[in-house]
Amino acid sequence: NAGVTQTPKFQVLKTGQSMTLQCAQDMNHNSMYWYRQDPGMGLRLIYYSASEGTTDKGEVPNGYNVSRLNKREFSLRLESAAPSQTSVYFCASSLTGNTIYFGEGSWLTVV
Amino acid sequence: AQSVTQLGSHVSVSEGALVLLRCNYSSSVPPYLFWYVQYPNQGLQLLLKYTSAATLVKGINGFEAEFKKSETSFHLTKPSAHMSDAAEYFCAVSDSTGNQFYFGTGTSLTVIP
Repeated sequence: NAGVTQTPKFQVLKTGQSMTLQCAQDMNHNSMYWYRQDPGMGLRLIYYSASEGTTDKGEVPNGYNVSRLNKREFSLRLESAAPSQTSVYFCASSLTGNTIYFGEGSWLTVV
Repeated sequence: AQSVTQLGSHVSVSEGALVLLRCNYSSSVPPYLFWYVQYPNQGLQLLLKYTSAATLVKGINGFEAEFKKSETSFHLTKPSAHMSDAAEYFCAVSDSTGNQFYFGTGTSLTVIP
């Protein structure tokens, strides 16, 4: 029962470095999401993709890019990491109008 | 856009006591309402979901929530707290398209032995 799988689980970056967070789901969901979680701020949507080939900005898209590679995969890229991007990142997926399912999270520290 | 307010960022209860976690949504009735639980260093897991079939929704681990349209609330309750209930709880709503989900800022539940 893989569900939503995201990698890596932990990463330390230096300011200015780039990296990509990978996410894949095996539930044949059409919608996929990237959230960040920071203390006291709950979950904030970075980007989402309602279907293969489409992506839309969420609440906090600045400094991030995404790619919906196919129906299964949705990656999040930090082109030039900043300390403000230190956070826990969650990938999620859902069928339109249904429950959203989350991955286990990726802990990113930018120093 | 929808919004969700969780009253109380931290709630402490004694083991065996009633758990009440509060959630209010914005005035327009959302298609779906959810409660999720997050244990330390893990992702969010679905506790329960309201879909308009019944106003009282039963979830896993003995939790339930009641949808009250007049109060725009969807509070989470459990009659008797257990130590294993200590976690972060998030209320969420979906928008009319079903494509976006909005989360509250979370309530951290501490259970005192």
